[in-house]
Amino acid sequence: ETGVTQSPTHLIKTRGQQVTLRCSSQSGHNTVSWYQQALGQGPQFIFQYYREEENGRGNFPPRFSGLQFPNYSSELNVNALELDDSALYLCASSLTRISGANVLTFGAGSRLTVL
Amino acid sequence: QQPVQSPQAVILREGEDAVINCSSSKALYSVHWYRQKHGEAPVFLMILLKGGEQKGHEKISASFNEKKQQSSLYLTASQLSYSGTYFCGTDAYNTGTASKLTFGTGTRLQVTL
Repeated sequence: ETGVTQSPTHLIKTRGQQVTLRCSSQSGHNTVSWYQQALGQGPQFIFQYYREEENGRGNFPPRFSGLQFPNYSSELNVNALELDDSALYLCASSLTRISGANVLTFGAGSRLTVL
Repeated sequence: QQPVQSPQAVILREGEDAVINCSSSKALYSVHWYRQKHGEAPVFLMILLKGGEQKGHEKISASFNEKKQQSSLYLTASQLSYSGTYFCGTDAYNTGTASKLTFGTGTRLQVTL
């Protein structure tokens, strides 16, 4: 089975620009979550998508938005980029079950640098 | 609020044991442990649920004290491959969908010969 794949792996943008990051979920998974990981820090939860709808959001402004597609792949969009948005963006897929305790399978991430 | 991990860093010789602790100020439903090597994806190690259910790898064990809101990860007979940064991720609720984890700042583990 294929794991979680993210693209692009690295990208550089300037302040004020917009960026779209993409994620293909692991086969059989129906839920995708996005995390931001600054250098030397733990990942921070951005939001989660389940059944193509946002299902929970962390402490991130509205310029962070996302989509989930019928094939469970996902996009993270960030508008009006700021220098502090420079980070590793991790996508994690999982299979939602009744118990709610689900293993997250992470992709290797997209490293965004904002100049 | 972010869980606190200790120690921040540890260096072991191959074959030695280590314990990594994770402490939360909130009541917890689940604790997840991940290991991340430089430039790679975090890899799942263990999940512990309120009520005692656990899922994880054979050579790694963990405990979850619900009353103290603490979890510990036990690494025995460490191998070079254990090197990396260990993160605990906590979830306060069973929302019925995938966990929305709050991660700690990590514990950097280095295993040497």
